[in-house]
This record gives sequence, structure tokens and C-alpha cells, in this order.
Amino acid sequence: QKEVEQDPGPLSVPEGAIVSLNCTYSNSAFQYFMWYRQYSRKGPELLMYTYSSGNKEDGRFTAQVDKSSKYISLFIRDSQPSDSATYLCAMALAQGAQKLVFGQGTRLTINP
Amino acid sequence: KAGVTQTPRYLIKTRGQQVTLSCSPISGHRSVSWYQQTPGQGLQFLFEYFSETQRNKGNFPGRFSGRQFSNSRSEMNVSTLELGDSALYLCASSLYQAGELFFGEGSRLTVL
Repeated sequence: QKEVEQDPGPLSVPEGAIVSLNCTYSNSAFQYFMWYRQYSRKGPELLMYTYSSGNKEDGRFTAQVDKSSKYISLFIRDSQPSDSATYLCAMALAQGAQKLVFGQGTRLTINP
Repeated sequence: KAGVTQTPRYLIKTRGQQVTLSCSPISGHRSVSWYQQTPGQGLQFLFEYFSETQRNKGNFPGRFSGRQFSNSRSEMNVSTLELGDSALYLCASSLYQAGELFFGEGSRLTVL
């Protein structure tokens, strides 16, 4: 069993829809949780960075962490075709740790 | 400001050969990490360097090695290539030991 599980999709939704992306994990020692976006033929770029349980909002993006359930989510409101990409969750044991454990990534397509 | 630069972008090798990949971090960044990305395993941590010292290593065989130079540029080497080493190798740099990872576009290795 992988330490971090993420549904690879693909997920296809119409423009303007609310998108929900999720990851579960098994290691309760994870403290820092991230979401990366990866466009085709590009490297991942950091979208959201959260510590422990709670919510964090940045524009159209909201990240949620529920440590009791070992479950994290990323919500995208008013989705745009430019949001079409692969979304990867990532986790770290310590602040600033460069060793991240990634989920498989979910391929998302927003249809105009 | 230039991003993380990886060379070569694409390369093809045959089993048993060795390969060296290069990474130039963002100017001023002293921390460099390497990841392997495959469709089956996703993104997996290889190793991390800071000030020419390997700080952390992932669960990869000894055929995978790396180093960092005094100018923070880094190289990774894979010896005795196997078919399963075909992957996208991503380099990421960080301004300091506890900072956001900025990824390059990767070097795509195909082993025949």
C-alpha cells in the first residue's frame, strides 16, 4: 500500500464547475501538506502549502486538511480551461523538508 | 529570473549504459533535490543536496548517485541502466534548507 493514495482520474468537468481533488495517507507523522499543479511537459509548481489540520484559501483554490481522517482535499471554484493539468498532493514530515511524498496525481480537464 | 535548468531535456540510452543529468538551480538557491517520475510509481524522491553535502536519500539502489558543486549546480548519475529506469527526472531547487521547491522541466530518459 502506498503511503499516499490519490485517484488518478482522469476527471473531466465543464467550465465553471467546482472541482474536488482528494488524497488519503497512512503515515500520521506527516505534518505539512502541499498541492502541486503540473502542466504537460512541465515541472510541478506549488499551488498550496498547509500545516496540520485546517483550511487555507487562495483565490479560487481552497485546501483542506483533516489529520484525524488522514485526508486532504483541494477545491477549485469557478474552474477554467487553463486549470486543466495534473494535480499532485504531497506531504512532508517536517517543515522545509525537501523529501516530499507525492500522490499519483489526478489528471483534470476543464471543458469550455 | 531564470528558472531551474535541466540538461539534456531528452535522451535515449541502451541497457547497461550510464547516464549523467545536469541541473542548474535558480540563482542564489543552495538546496537541490532530485525526483524520478514514472506513470506507475509517480514522483519519487531520489536525493537532496545542500552546500555540496547530501542531506537525504530516497530508497533507490546504489546505481543512482548524485553530487553538488560549489556553485550549487548538481548532477545525478545512473549506472548500468535498466529498462525500468526510463522516466522523467526532475530537479528542484530551494533558496534555503526550508523553502518552497521550484522544479525544472525535467530530463526524459528512455532506456532501450
